[in-house]
Amino acid sequence: GIQVEQSPPDLILQEGANSTLRCNFSDSVNNLQWFHQNPWGQLINLFYIPSGTKQNGRLSATTVATERYSLLYISSSQTTDSGVYFCAVLYNFNKFYFGSGTKLNVKP
Amino acid sequence: DSGVTQTPKHLITATGQRVTLRCSPRSGDLSVYWYQQSLDQGLQFLIHYYNGEERAKGNILERFSAQQFPDLHSELNLSSLELGDSALYFCASSVGSINNEQFFGPGTRLTVL
Repeated sequence: GIQVEQSPPDLILQEGANSTLRCNFSDSVNNLQWFHQNPWGQLINLFYIPSGTKQNGRLSATTVATERYSLLYISSSQTTDSGVYFCAVLYNFNKFYFGSGTKLNVKP
Repeated sequence: DSGVTQTPKHLITATGQRVTLRCSPRSGDLSVYWYQQSLDQGLQFLIHYYNGEERAKGNILERFSAQQFPDLHSELNLSSLELGDSALYFCASSVGSINNEQFFGPGTRLTVL
């Protein structure tokens, strides 16, 4: 299979701070998604980003497929950003692999 | 709301029993995927169906089976349940056969006592 590693595993921020979450993968992938799992367990789509850069409000993501990593940027963090952030990749046009997640806690 | 629905939301059962989890994809989506999220294994891909046909298998146990019906809803059957099967089970759907954005349902929380 493929290894998908996310860092950092845990992150504590003060409200208003910026952060960068990283997703490394050990082989070429077909696509990549970022999700936010809120405290109620719901997985919310953030970005579908096999390559390039996308922005959505305070969030943006960049995937550099040739170097096998993706970054998720959160600016001006809010308490509602708390939860776990996952990246997931499609490998060999066949199976999906999730990273172990970054647990974010934004304090007021 | 992603448009993917899952029932039931919660399920409590005993070891050795059998349960069925149900998923309805977003309108227009032909693919359904099942995932298991447990504390020790994280989020794991179980199986993928496209338009009624099985397309890919992940870490799905032999005690588990799934199918996708002509109306495109899917069911995940878990049998001979063990304590370790307690987990959150997600269904996701996408438009195409594989390389498309997936949208997740709210999940079914299974507790095996």
